[in-house]
Amino acid sequence: NAGVTQTPKFQVLKTGQSMTLQCAQDMNHEYMSWYRQDPGMGLRLIHYSVGAGITDQGEVPNGYNVSRSTTEDFPLRLLSAAPSQTSVYFCASSYEGVKSYEQYFGPGTRLTVT
Amino acid sequence: AQSVSQHNHHVILSEAASLELGCNYSYGGTVNLFWYVQYPGQHLQLLLKYFSGDPLVKGIKGFEAEFIKSKFSFNLRKPSVQWSDTAEYFCAVNPNNAGNMLTFGGGTRLMVKP
Repeated sequence: NAGVTQTPKFQVLKTGQSMTLQCAQDMNHEYMSWYRQDPGMGLRLIHYSVGAGITDQGEVPNGYNVSRSTTEDFPLRLLSAAPSQTSVYFCASSYEGVKSYEQYFGPGTRLTVT
Repeated sequence: AQSVSQHNHHVILSEAASLELGCNYSYGGTVNLFWYVQYPGQHLQLLLKYFSGDPLVKGIKGFEAEFIKSKFSFNLRKPSVQWSDTAEYFCAVNPNNAGNMLTFGGGTRLMVKP
């Protein structure tokens, strides 16, 4: 059981470039989400999904796109990278139901936009 | 706006000292409460959680937290810290009507001196 995996671990982009951060989980969790972590601001929710084909915006969605074609995968796309998107990105997943809300986090992707 | 506040941004303690980290939230309804820990270079891990019942919850590694509804607080405590507790600690709140969405506090960096 690999849990939640994220690739890449580190990435440097130039302003205006696009890229996709990958997230996968093998726990058959319905709920998946993306957070960004910035110093002093904790983690802020970017987008989330309650199941395949269903996504919604979180607190800071601008500049990011997501899709959920399978239960396992939840990629995050940066459409045109900006220095303000320099951050550490975490993907998380959880069950719905009795054990819901206990979210399992991936190892993170550290992104620098120059 | 609804929020989660962790008033201590940095805490430095000596080994064997007692620890209390504050967490206050501003949601008016029923909430689920969490403390996560992030050890240096690692991803977030769940320390403990409160859903209902006994407001004093015990987690891993000797940590406990007390939910005081009247004070909108969920403070984290440990009677005697160890050097290995050096980490960043995040309080998170999930309102009962908000699906699986978590709102995080800004985090508290704890350094334990040997």
